[in-house]
Amino acid sequence: EVQLVESGGGLVQPGGSLRLSCAASGFTLNRYWMSWVRQVPGKGLEWVANIGRNGGDQYYVDSVEGRFTISRDNAKNTLFLQMNSLRAEDTALYYCARDSGDRCVDYWGQGALVVVSS
Amino acid sequence: DGVMTQSPLSLTVTLGQPASISCRSSQSLVYSDGNTYLAWFQQRPGQSPRRLIHKISNRDSGVPDRFSGSGSGTDFTLKISRVEAEDVGIYYCMQGTHWPYSFGQGTKLEIK
Repeated sequence: EVQLVESGGGLVQPGGSLRLSCAASGFTLNRYWMSWVRQVPGKGLEWVANIGRNGGDQYYVDSVEGRFTISRDNAKNTLFLQMNSLRAEDTALYYCARDSGDRCVDYWGQGALVVVSS
Repeated sequence: DGVMTQSPLSLTVTLGQPASISCRSSQSLVYSDGNTYLAWFQQRPGQSPRRLIHKISNRDSGVPDRFSGSGSGTDFTLKISRVEAEDVGIYYCMQGTHWPYSFGQGTKLEIK
């Protein structure tokens, strides 16, 4: 059974940093692109970043480019999202998702809540 | 960027009746490989999104056949042939043709 479990969310002050992790199980992580997608509570969905199978390819939405870094450790079956210079507008539930191989995602984690507030 | 516009944003349907959600893209979703990367997701209250359909009309495993997708180019539709109580939630279309991938605003489905 495919499982994605996010961790590392919490409350952080504006300008601060946070690192999210996503533990993957039930599939071979190095065979899949992975993504982070976020959702402001009660609002819609926004793609944040993608990463290729070996970590060499990374893509970001403009609003996080230069502040967020997506990475992975295939040996540890873990995906990461390093978030720096956090802003109030980054407050959201951050989902880890598996790329289905056709420019989409098929499995999602339960999400990690990030709250940026003073 | 592919701006996705859904309509209606809210839908109230009687049990057993059909429902239809429209999704329009600001640009063609036909990719250079000839495929159209348009998907539909369902998000039930308090849950993570679940993919229902990918590449316009391909139903995911375990998705009831009352859900169907259609369309081409910039106009797409999700249809539920007979709404059931478990279909309550928010439905999102999503394009994977243009980076950044993007979602529609969501359509909230309620039962009358």
